Amino acid sequence: NAGVTQTPKFQVLKTGQSMTLQCAQDMNHEYMSWYRQDPGMGLRLIHYSVGAGITDQGEVPNGYNVSRSTTEDFPLRLLSAAPSQTSVYFCASSRDPPNTGELFFGEGSRLTVL
Amino acid sequence: GNSVTQMEGPVTLSEEAFLTINCTYTATGYPSLFWYVQYPGEGLQLLLKATKADDKGSNKGFEATYRKETTSFHLEKGSVQVSDSAVYFCALTLGGSTLGRLYFGRGTQLTVWP
Repeated sequence: NAGVTQTPKFQVLKTGQSMTLQCAQDMNHEYMSWYRQDPGMGLRLIHYSVGAGITDQGEVPNGYNVSRSTTEDFPLRLLSAAPSQTSVYFCASSRDPPNTGELFFGEGSRLTVL
Repeated sequence: GNSVTQMEGPVTLSEEAFLTINCTYTATGYPSLFWYVQYPGEGLQLLLKATKADDKGSNKGFEATYRKETTSFHLEKGSVQVSDSAVYFCALTLGGSTLGRLYFGRGTQLTVWP
């Protein structure tokens, strides 16, 4: 069972570079989301999607773009990386909205911006 | 607003000790409550949940009871094992306008020594 797959697991960028964190799930889940995890701050929601073609902003969306062209994939794009975006990023999916079901998380992508 | 407050860590216990991790919440509606666990190098996974007042969630020997009167959802385990060493996150979610978002606490690091 693949579940939620994130790539890459580790990435180092220079300030101003752009990149895309990939997220794919094979559970046919409608709901997908991206969180960032920073020390002492828990997880914060960046963007989420309730189905293909539908995305919305979370708590900390600035500097990130998302799209949802298929049910399976939900990439997160950093347009111009900044040191403040150094973090661990988690993609999550669920069949139902979080208030009714559980989220399945990927293993995380650790990003360092120099 | 909506928020989750967890006890500060780290928590260090000997094997077979009793565990309590406190969690209180503030919510504008009637939340569902969750405990997630993150083992080293892995993504978060759901440990247990409760969706209404007085519900008790339980899994792997862990329990938590949804107390509306004290707005709490404390995590307990009667006898911890070394394999329980992980970071534990309390979280809540609401429907309506916050659809799609889990509000996480900061996490509590638990280390269990043999």
